[in-house]
Amino acid sequence: RKEVEQDPGPFNVPEGATVAFNCTYSNSASQSFFWYRQDCRKEPKLLMSVYSSGNEDGRFTAQLNRASQYISLLIRDSKLSDSATYLCVVNINTNAGKSTFGDGTTLTVKP
Amino acid sequence: DTAVSQTPKYLVTQMGNDKSIKCEQNLGHDTMYWYKQDSKKFLKIMFSYNNKELIINETVPNRFSPKSPDKAHLNLHINSLELGDSAVYFCASSHERRTEAFFGQGTRLTVV
Repeated sequence: RKEVEQDPGPFNVPEGATVAFNCTYSNSASQSFFWYRQDCRKEPKLLMSVYSSGNEDGRFTAQLNRASQYISLLIRDSKLSDSATYLCVVNINTNAGKSTFGDGTTLTVKP
Repeated sequence: DTAVSQTPKYLVTQMGNDKSIKCEQNLGHDTMYWYKQDSKKFLKIMFSYNNKELIINETVPNRFSPKSPDKAHLNLHINSLELGDSAVYFCASSHERRTEAFFGQGTRLTVV
């Protein structure tokens, strides 16, 4: 089993749609969680951190469920510019502090 | 002003050559990383350094040797390049080992 697993996608949605991505992680010692966005031929960039209580940033909402070991990302009112690959990232609480990236979910928002 | 910068951006070289990729961060971070993103877009960690000390070495062939002369720099040297080394290599840094990472723009390595 992979340490971090994401919905395989791709997701193709019309503008204005609401779309949700899920991500599960296997190590219960995981301490911090993030969603990154990667545009084609660009570097990954932090979209938002994920907090235990859930957090929102504009049209984006991230949630964490420690009991079930998954995190989610909800995008409301999708824009064409939201088209990208979304990467789930989990940091494990060891001395190594390794960030493990999911394989990404590709979102295409169409007019 | 670039926070994490790596050079070169593109590198095309022949099999068997030795090449280096340089990375510098001006964020004052104490942890730096090298990641490899293959043709299927999977991003895998290769190395992590914390305050110039190697923390992670993820089953990477010993043809790959990272070097950290100081906290702000982490270079990657690759010996005897193989076709399978073709990928995008990303350098990244973070303030602490468990916080978010900031990535460089990537080095697209093509081995021919």
